[in-house]
Amino acid sequence: SQTIHQWPATLVQPVGSPLSLECTVEGTSNPNLYWYRQAAGRGLQLLFYSVGIGQISSEVPQNLSASRPQDRQFILSSKKLLLSDSGFYLCAWTMGGHQPQHFGDGTRLSIL
Amino acid sequence: AQKITQTQPGMFVQEKEAVTLDCTYDTSDPSYGLFWYKQPSSGEMIFLIYQGSYDQQNATEGRYSLNFQKARKSANLVISASQLGDSAMYFCAISSGGYNKLIFGAGTRLAVHP
Repeated sequence: SQTIHQWPATLVQPVGSPLSLECTVEGTSNPNLYWYRQAAGRGLQLLFYSVGIGQISSEVPQNLSASRPQDRQFILSSKKLLLSDSGFYLCAWTMGGHQPQHFGDGTRLSIL
Repeated sequence: AQKITQTQPGMFVQEKEAVTLDCTYDTSDPSYGLFWYKQPSSGEMIFLIYQGSYDQQNATEGRYSLNFQKARKSANLVISASQLGDSAMYFCAISSGGYNKLIFGAGTRLAVHP
């Protein structure tokens, strides 16, 4: 069966520091991969999606970037974090079409 | 552009009763998918149920059913026989375009009372 791993679960970072969040999927090949952010008490906002290695699409202009160095690995990065980057970050995968997306457990990011 | 509207910020229901969570959507695509997810306080997003735009019958998954009214552009979630463990945030979402991007509503917080 397919599983998705996301780490770390919690992260506290100072303003201006770099960021790297990693997500990996097991048990499937060539999935579509997604990064979402959720502000407190709000719905999810799509940040990036990828349909293949090296293919990244950005949904909103921001201080973050994403990369997909391997088929089942998706990385969310920043060179310098802002206070506004705080939130709950979720990675998800699907096999496309209108198949449901399956989410990792998320990373709670706090910027101090 | 696709949009999801959930007009109920919070709902409560007595244990063992049924509850309906509202969701309306807007899209110009003839082919789309509608999803409901549950988010407990721990934060993970749990997929509950899916309805395709061309599906003739309402989707059902155990105690969950989706009341799909295409002409009204509504996709309400019905939870039957509520349990205490159903207390959570519930999100409605629509899949958009060719890459299955999801647009989420603001969510409804459901509290199940004993």
